Amino acid sequence: NAGVMQNPRHLVRRRGQEARLRCSPMKGHSHVYWYRQLPEEGLKFMVYLQKENIIDESGMPKERFSAEFPKEGPSILRIQQVVRGDSAAYFCASSQQGAGANVLTFGAGSRLTVL
Amino acid sequence: AQSVSQHNHHVILSEAASLELGCNYSYGGTVNLFWYVQYPGQHLQLLLKYFSGDPLVKGIKGFEAEFIKSKFSFNLRKPSVQWSDTAEYFCAVNAAGSARQLTFGSGTQLTVLP
Repeated sequence: NAGVMQNPRHLVRRRGQEARLRCSPMKGHSHVYWYRQLPEEGLKFMVYLQKENIIDESGMPKERFSAEFPKEGPSILRIQQVVRGDSAAYFCASSQQGAGANVLTFGAGSRLTVL
Repeated sequence: AQSVSQHNHHVILSEAASLELGCNYSYGGTVNLFWYVQYPGQHLQLLLKYFSGDPLVKGIKGFEAEFIKSKFSFNLRKPSVQWSDTAEYFCAVNAAGSARQLTFGSGTQLTVLP
């Protein structure tokens, strides 16, 4: 069981470019969460998805950020027209349905650096 | 909305010292409580969790935490730390029975000196 797989691990973008971060949940997990960790801060919830559905996006910035979890393939967090303030570590987590839904398993994170 | 406070940002201990990391949360309802650990360069790993029952929870690697409902606290403890415990520790909470996203504290960096 490979766990939660995130790629790329490191991504460098210039201001104005697009960043795409991918997350493959653990086998058997149908819930995906994205968190952002800014320097010197804890993880902040961004969005919670199930297959083809956004369940809660209350933590997502209103502009430039979007997330999807298609029927096939990984979940994607997309940041358009990146700015320096988007530099952070982006963590994906997944969980099961039902009784296991409260326990999140995290990936290793994708570190975005905006020049 | 819930919030989590970790008052110690950086703790430095010598090996064999005892550890207690503070965690307080604010939320009016029933919560699930978690401690995660992030070793240098690695992903977050679950140390222990509390859902219900015995408020003293034992986790991996000799860690334990006690839920004190009256104090809204879930402090992490270990009687004798090792150099390999050097890591960042995050307390987290979610509302039981509803949305499952976790609210994290800002983390405590533990450095254990050999």
